[in-house]
Amino acid sequence: DSVTQMEGPVTLSEEAFLTINCTYTATGYPSLFWYVQYPGEGLQLLLKATKADDKGSNKGFEATYRKETTSFHLEKGSVQVSDSAVYFCALSDQDNQGGKLIFGQGTELSVKP
Amino acid sequence: NAGVTQTPKFQVLKTGQSMTLQCAQDMNHNSMYWYRQDPGMGLRLIYYSASEGTTDKGEVPNGYNVSRLNKREFSLRLESAAPSQTSVYFCASSARDPPYGYTFGSGTRLTVV
Repeated sequence: DSVTQMEGPVTLSEEAFLTINCTYTATGYPSLFWYVQYPGEGLQLLLKATKADDKGSNKGFEATYRKETTSFHLEKGSVQVSDSAVYFCALSDQDNQGGKLIFGQGTELSVKP
Repeated sequence: NAGVTQTPKFQVLKTGQSMTLQCAQDMNHNSMYWYRQDPGMGLRLIYYSASEGTTDKGEVPNGYNVSRLNKREFSLRLESAAPSQTSVYFCASSARDPPYGYTFGSGTRLTVV
């Protein structure tokens, strides 16, 4: 099982549209997550989806679990400076990995005023 | 409402010294984890404990030992620190079922000189 994210850093202007791509490989039926890490802090759960076609959403961010394309892309319609952080895509496969989280390498987002 | 508490927040060690990183959670979670975070590599699992009394190796266990002292506490020990262990260490916990994801501590920044 593995997770691949688009490389960063990503730099956007305030109010721009954000997409951070995430694809995964898994032998079972994993749950998918996005975590966010603000500077100097630990990771916080941003949103999650537990089965195909589920949409997770929080704080204006959305991601849809696409089994046919093995993807879970993160989107936000209008980013703010306060969204500057590192974003991690992750999967958890209870049947095959005992529920352990497997992370992508992270994508750094910088939003300029 | 503390969540996951890690101590210390910062530490500088000399090569060959030993130290223990402490982690405690107050959410009655069964599972606990230790990750290290290095630039460009995301988070890599060092050790985990699926339940009180059990521990297992993760992706990068060499040079580390762990103790699940009770349901609340999960410590990580470096017996003989090496410069390659310079990293940011995160402890996390989770309820095994259902897959709600992890709650992370704020991290320990360790430098080995």
